Formats: sequence, C-alpha cells, structure tokens
Amino acid sequence: QQQVKQSPQSLIVQKGGISIINCAYENTAFDYFPWYQQFPGKGPALLIAIRPDVSEKKEGRFTISFNKSAKQFSLHIMDSQPGDSATYFCAARDFGNEKLTFGTGTRLTIIP
Amino acid sequence: EPEVTQTPSHQVTQMGQEVILRCVPISNHLYFYWYRQILGQKVEFLVSFYNNEISEKSEIFDDQFSVERPDGSNFTLKIRSTKLEDSAMYFCASIRNLDLLGTNVLTFGAGSRLTVL
Repeated sequence: QQQVKQSPQSLIVQKGGISIINCAYENTAFDYFPWYQQFPGKGPALLIAIRPDVSEKKEGRFTISFNKSAKQFSLHIMDSQPGDSATYFCAARDFGNEKLTFGTGTRLTIIP
Repeated sequence: EPEVTQTPSHQVTQMGQEVILRCVPISNHLYFYWYRQILGQKVEFLVSFYNNEISEKSEIFDDQFSVERPDGSNFTLKIRSTKLEDSAMYFCASIRNLDLLGTNVLTFGAGSRLTVL
C-alpha cells in the first residue's frame, strides 16, 4: 500500500514537445506529492510539488495534474528542451510518517 | 543557496569492512535522513533522525547500520560490516520542519557512491 507506481520507465520526446510522466498510488493517507529531477551523478532535486486539495499546479513549463479520486498524478513538461533530459521521480509522503516513498523513475531524453 | 554536502563522493571497500559516510546538513535544518539508490533503481528511505535520535527506519536499516550526529553539524551513516548488496549511492537529506510549505523543502546532497568488492 506504500508503493508509488510510475510510468513510463523511459521516454523520448522531441524538442518542443510535451513530456508526460504518470504516477499512481494506493495509500489515501498520502498528503504531499513532489516530483524530483535527477541528473547523472547528482542527488534528486525538488522540481514541483502538490497537495491533494488542488487539481493542478503550474510552475513555468512544469505542471502537475492531480486526480484524487483516481489516485493518480502526472508531470507535464511543456516545450521540452534538451536540458530537461534527466531522470524524474514522483514521490509521496504520508503525514503519519516522515519518509518519502519514491516511484521507480522515468529516464527522459529530449532529442533535437 | 544552502546545500547538503556529503563525503566521500565515492568509496570502494572490501566486503566485511566498516564504512562511515558523512553529511553536513543545511545549518538551520532539524530533520535528517539517509536514503539509498541501488544503480538504476528507485530511491529508498533508510532512516530519519530528529532531536538526536532515530525517529523512523526502514526494514533495510538493520543492525549493521547506525547513524550519529556527533558534533552538532555532521550527520554520519555507519555500515558496520559491508556486504556486496550494500553497493549503492547513499543520499543524505535534511529539512527545517515537516510542514513542507513554501521554501521548506527536503534537500538532498549529491550522494556518496559506495562500492563493495
């Protein structure tokens, strides 16, 4: 029940296109849903996060869409750029715990 | 921008040896964490630490692991007798409090790569 399922495992998008990564969860006690971006050899860095009381959050080219009834959330990267090529992890936190539960990651490659 | 620093960046050790990974969390942060990432896999929670004691640990964090904040700035992870399967990237993270609002975000270090031969 603590799992966060992420898809796809890898994604190739043309420059300027929209990258979409999906996550699903089971634990209804999760109350915070961040997305992390990780470049090779670096630690995960917070990209954008959402709480379950809103259905969408946008920061620049990055948007989280949240569907509480379906227990799904997704990351949309508009106008994808080669610099966006990285591994993206969704995560979730149960306020009863301190830890983040991470998805399995999506390796995103933006091609010219 | 404040950051979490970790040393060493890479350590190679023989199976059965003790390893200490070090972290300097952001100075006004109160909650500290270790996560690990086996190559190509997801990031997994190991342990959380608050007020000089472990507040939560995962099933991965067995008796071979220990954490310590020896001097008020460093936060260490010790693996007493390393196994081959301990080979992974170990990330330290810290946060000011648990509210996760605004600028209060869980900040990760760049990681320490541990290779056990």
